[in-house]
Amino acid sequence: SAVISQKPSRDICQRGTSLTIQCQVDSQVTMMFWYRQQPGQSLTLIATANQGSEATYESGFVIDKFPISRPNLTFSTLTVSNMSPEDSSIYLCSVPKGTSGNNEQFFGPGTRLTVL
Amino acid sequence: QKEVEQNSGPLSVPEGAIASLNCTYSDRVSQSFFWYRQYSGKSPELIMSIYSNGDKEDGRFTAQLNKASQYVSLLIRDSQPSDSATYLCAVPSGGYNKLIFGAGTRLAVHP
Repeated sequence: SAVISQKPSRDICQRGTSLTIQCQVDSQVTMMFWYRQQPGQSLTLIATANQGSEATYESGFVIDKFPISRPNLTFSTLTVSNMSPEDSSIYLCSVPKGTSGNNEQFFGPGTRLTVL
Repeated sequence: QKEVEQNSGPLSVPEGAIASLNCTYSDRVSQSFFWYRQYSGKSPELIMSIYSNGDKEDGRFTAQLNKASQYVSLLIRDSQPSDSATYLCAVPSGGYNKLIFGAGTRLAVHP
Protein backbone atom coordinates (compact mmCIF):
# COMPACT_ATOMS: atom_id res chain seq x y z
CA SER A 1 0.00 0.00 0.00
CA ALA A 2 1.06 3.60 -0.58
CA VAL A 3 2.53 5.65 2.23
CA ILE A 4 0.71 8.97 2.46
CA SER A 5 1.70 11.91 4.64
CA GLN A 6 -0.10 15.16 5.30
CA LYS A 7 1.06 18.45 6.73
CA PRO A 8 0.09 19.98 9.05
CA SER A 9 -1.49 17.25 11.17
CA ARG A 10 -3.58 19.86 12.92
CA ASP A 11 -3.96 23.62 13.12
CA ILE A 12 -6.01 26.28 14.83
CA CYS A 13 -6.72 29.29 12.63
CA GLN A 14 -8.50 32.59 12.84
CA ARG A 15 -11.52 33.29 10.68
CA GLY A 16 -10.77 35.08 7.45
CA THR A 17 -7.35 33.49 7.03
CA SER A 18 -6.29 30.68 4.68
CA LEU A 19 -4.52 27.39 5.30
CA THR A 20 -2.70 25.22 2.78
CA ILE A 21 -2.63 21.48 3.44
CA GLN A 22 0.00 19.31 1.81
CA CYS A 23 -0.34 15.68 0.77
CA GLN A 24 2.73 13.62 -0.20
CA VAL A 25 2.64 10.06 -1.57
CA ASP A 26 5.63 7.72 -1.79
CA SER A 27 4.71 6.55 -5.29
CA GLN A 28 3.40 8.13 -8.46
CA VAL A 29 -0.38 8.20 -8.75
CA THR A 30 -2.59 9.59 -11.48
CA MET A 31 -5.37 10.79 -9.21
CA MET A 32 -5.41 12.21 -5.73
CA PHE A 33 -8.60 12.97 -3.84
CA TRP A 34 -9.46 15.49 -1.17
CA TYR A 35 -12.21 14.74 1.35
CA ARG A 36 -13.73 16.65 4.22
CA GLN A 37 -15.07 15.08 7.39
CA GLN A 38 -17.04 17.51 9.52
CA PRO A 39 -17.39 16.78 13.24
CA GLY A 40 -19.43 13.64 13.79
CA GLN A 41 -20.08 13.25 10.07
CA SER A 42 -18.96 10.95 7.30
CA LEU A 43 -16.57 11.74 4.48
CA THR A 44 -17.52 14.03 1.60
CA LEU A 45 -15.44 14.28 -1.55
CA ILE A 46 -14.31 17.87 -2.23
CA ALA A 47 -12.43 17.37 -5.48
CA THR A 48 -10.23 15.13 -7.58
CA ALA A 49 -6.74 16.47 -8.22
CA ASN A 50 -5.40 15.51 -11.63
CA GLN A 51 -1.79 16.06 -12.60
CA GLY A 52 -1.48 18.43 -15.52
CA SER A 53 -5.06 19.66 -15.47
CA GLU A 54 -7.44 21.54 -13.24
CA ALA A 55 -9.05 19.79 -10.33
CA THR A 56 -12.58 18.44 -10.69
CA TYR A 57 -14.84 19.77 -7.94
CA GLU A 58 -17.93 18.12 -6.51
CA SER A 59 -21.26 19.85 -6.16
CA GLY A 60 -21.14 22.40 -3.37
CA PHE A 61 -17.39 22.99 -3.55
CA VAL A 62 -15.76 25.73 -5.62
CA ILE A 63 -12.23 26.53 -6.68
CA ASP A 64 -12.22 29.98 -5.09
CA LYS A 65 -12.86 28.46 -1.68
CA PHE A 66 -10.75 25.29 -2.07
CA PRO A 67 -7.99 25.90 -4.62
CA ILE A 68 -5.97 22.77 -5.37
CA SER A 69 -2.55 22.33 -6.87
CA ARG A 70 -1.07 19.14 -8.34
CA PRO A 71 2.44 19.97 -9.53
CA ASN A 72 3.57 16.34 -9.94
CA LEU A 73 2.43 12.74 -9.56
CA THR A 74 3.36 12.47 -5.86
CA PHE A 75 2.16 15.73 -4.36
CA SER A 76 -0.92 17.90 -4.00
CA THR A 77 -2.09 20.82 -1.90
CA LEU A 78 -5.53 21.93 -0.81
CA THR A 79 -6.07 25.48 0.41
CA VAL A 80 -9.00 26.38 2.59
CA SER A 81 -9.57 30.07 1.88
CA ASN A 82 -11.21 32.82 3.87
CA MET A 83 -11.99 30.39 6.64
CA SER A 84 -15.02 30.46 8.89
CA PRO A 85 -15.86 28.25 11.89
CA GLU A 86 -17.97 26.09 9.55
CA ASP A 87 -14.73 24.99 7.87
CA SER A 88 -13.63 23.25 11.06
CA SER A 89 -13.19 19.67 9.87
CA ILE A 90 -10.74 16.93 9.20
CA TYR A 91 -9.34 17.18 5.69
CA LEU A 92 -8.09 13.94 4.16
CA CYS A 93 -6.29 13.13 0.98
CA SER A 94 -6.54 9.70 -0.61
CA VAL A 95 -5.05 7.82 -3.53
CA PRO A 96 -6.22 4.78 -5.49
CA LYS A 97 -4.75 1.42 -4.60
CA GLY A 98 -2.76 0.22 -7.57
CA THR A 99 -3.89 0.52 -11.15
CA SER A 100 -6.50 -2.23 -11.29
CA GLY A 101 -9.36 0.25 -11.48
CA ASN A 102 -11.28 -1.40 -8.68
CA ASN A 103 -11.84 1.91 -6.86
CA GLU A 104 -10.07 1.00 -3.61
CA GLN A 105 -8.57 4.07 -1.96
CA PHE A 106 -6.04 4.61 0.79
CA PHE A 107 -6.27 7.63 3.06
CA GLY A 108 -3.64 9.87 4.54
CA PRO A 109 -3.60 10.59 8.28
CA GLY A 110 -5.69 13.73 7.88
CA THR A 111 -5.39 17.38 8.91
CA ARG A 112 -7.58 18.45 11.81
CA LEU A 113 -8.54 22.09 11.32
CA THR A 114 -10.20 24.27 13.93
CA VAL A 115 -11.34 27.76 12.93
CA LEU A 116 -12.02 30.24 15.70
CA GLN B 1 -33.10 8.73 -0.58
CA LYS B 2 -29.44 8.90 0.40
CA GLU B 3 -27.05 7.10 -1.92
CA VAL B 4 -25.51 5.01 0.84
CA GLU B 5 -27.37 4.38 4.08
CA GLN B 6 -26.16 2.93 7.35
CA ASN B 7 -27.60 2.74 10.82
CA SER B 8 -25.54 5.22 12.84
CA GLY B 9 -25.74 3.13 16.00
CA PRO B 10 -24.18 2.84 18.42
CA LEU B 11 -24.22 -0.92 18.06
CA SER B 12 -23.19 -2.48 21.33
CA VAL B 13 -22.13 -6.13 21.47
CA PRO B 14 -20.43 -8.21 24.16
CA GLU B 15 -16.90 -9.46 23.65
CA GLY B 16 -16.89 -12.72 21.69
CA ALA B 17 -20.23 -12.08 19.97
CA ILE B 18 -20.89 -11.51 16.27
CA ALA B 19 -21.33 -7.89 15.23
CA SER B 20 -23.50 -7.33 12.15
CA LEU B 21 -23.21 -4.06 10.26
CA ASN B 22 -25.52 -3.24 7.39
CA CYS B 23 -25.49 -0.91 4.41
CA THR B 24 -27.89 -0.23 1.56
CA TYR B 25 -27.10 1.68 -1.61
CA SER B 26 -29.16 3.27 -4.36
CA ASP B 27 -26.98 2.96 -7.48
CA ARG B 28 -27.96 -0.35 -9.12
CA VAL B 29 -24.96 -0.35 -11.42
CA SER B 30 -22.38 -0.28 -8.61
CA GLN B 31 -19.91 -3.13 -8.98
CA SER B 32 -17.61 -2.69 -6.01
CA PHE B 33 -18.23 -2.15 -2.32
CA PHE B 34 -15.93 -1.28 0.53
CA TRP B 35 -15.87 -1.33 4.30
CA TYR B 36 -13.59 1.09 6.12
CA ARG B 37 -12.83 1.14 9.83
CA GLN B 38 -12.17 4.46 11.51
CA TYR B 39 -10.89 4.70 15.04
CA SER B 40 -11.57 7.92 16.89
CA GLY B 41 -9.13 10.61 15.80
CA LYS B 42 -7.72 8.47 13.01
CA SER B 43 -8.25 8.26 9.26
CA PRO B 44 -10.33 5.51 7.60
CA GLU B 45 -8.63 2.17 6.98
CA LEU B 46 -9.82 -0.16 4.23
CA ILE B 47 -10.65 -3.55 5.76
CA MET B 48 -12.82 -5.30 3.17
CA SER B 49 -13.67 -5.07 -0.51
CA ILE B 50 -16.33 -7.15 -2.24
CA TYR B 51 -17.28 -7.28 -5.90
CA SER B 52 -19.46 -10.38 -6.38
CA ASN B 53 -22.70 -11.57 -4.87
CA GLY B 54 -22.24 -13.82 -1.89
CA ASP B 55 -19.81 -13.93 0.98
CA LYS B 56 -16.15 -12.98 1.23
CA GLU B 57 -14.23 -13.96 4.31
CA ASP B 58 -10.99 -12.48 5.64
CA GLY B 59 -10.04 -13.63 9.11
CA ARG B 60 -12.78 -12.62 11.54
CA PHE B 61 -14.45 -10.43 8.94
CA THR B 62 -17.07 -11.56 6.42
CA ALA B 63 -18.58 -9.23 3.83
CA GLN B 64 -21.90 -10.22 2.28
CA LEU B 65 -23.24 -8.72 -0.93
CA ASN B 66 -26.71 -8.96 -2.45
CA LYS B 67 -26.88 -6.82 -5.56
CA ALA B 68 -30.54 -7.63 -6.22
CA SER B 69 -31.46 -6.18 -2.84
CA GLN B 70 -28.76 -3.48 -3.05
CA TYR B 71 -27.46 -4.56 0.31
CA VAL B 72 -23.99 -5.15 1.67
CA SER B 73 -23.13 -6.21 5.20
CA LEU B 74 -20.09 -6.80 7.37
CA LEU B 75 -19.97 -9.50 10.01
CA ILE B 76 -17.29 -9.45 12.69
CA ARG B 77 -16.93 -12.76 14.49
CA ASP B 78 -15.49 -13.11 17.98
CA SER B 79 -15.74 -9.35 18.48
CA GLN B 80 -12.96 -7.79 20.53
CA PRO B 81 -12.84 -4.46 22.38
CA SER B 82 -10.22 -3.42 19.82
CA ASP B 83 -12.95 -3.66 17.15
CA SER B 84 -14.71 -0.68 18.75
CA ALA B 85 -14.69 1.94 16.00
CA THR B 86 -16.89 3.52 13.36
CA TYR B 87 -17.42 1.36 10.29
CA LEU B 88 -18.00 3.18 7.01
CA CYS B 89 -19.60 1.64 3.94
CA ALA B 90 -18.42 3.13 0.63
CA VAL B 91 -19.72 2.67 -2.89
CA PRO B 92 -18.35 4.12 -6.15
CA SER B 93 -20.71 6.55 -7.83
CA GLY B 94 -20.74 8.82 -10.81
CA GLY B 95 -17.74 7.30 -12.47
CA TYR B 96 -14.27 6.05 -11.88
CA ASN B 97 -12.87 6.38 -8.38
CA LYS B 98 -15.51 8.63 -6.81
CA LEU B 99 -16.52 7.06 -3.51
CA ILE B 100 -19.75 7.85 -1.69
CA PHE B 101 -19.63 7.08 2.01
CA GLY B 102 -22.42 6.17 4.35
CA ALA B 103 -22.78 7.98 7.65
CA GLY B 104 -21.00 5.15 9.44
CA THR B 105 -22.04 2.79 12.22
CA ARG B 106 -20.38 3.18 15.58
CA LEU B 107 -19.58 -0.21 17.11
CA ALA B 108 -18.85 -0.65 20.81
CA VAL B 109 -17.59 -4.03 22.00
CA HIS B 110 -17.77 -4.32 25.77
CA PRO B 111 -15.83 -6.85 27.88
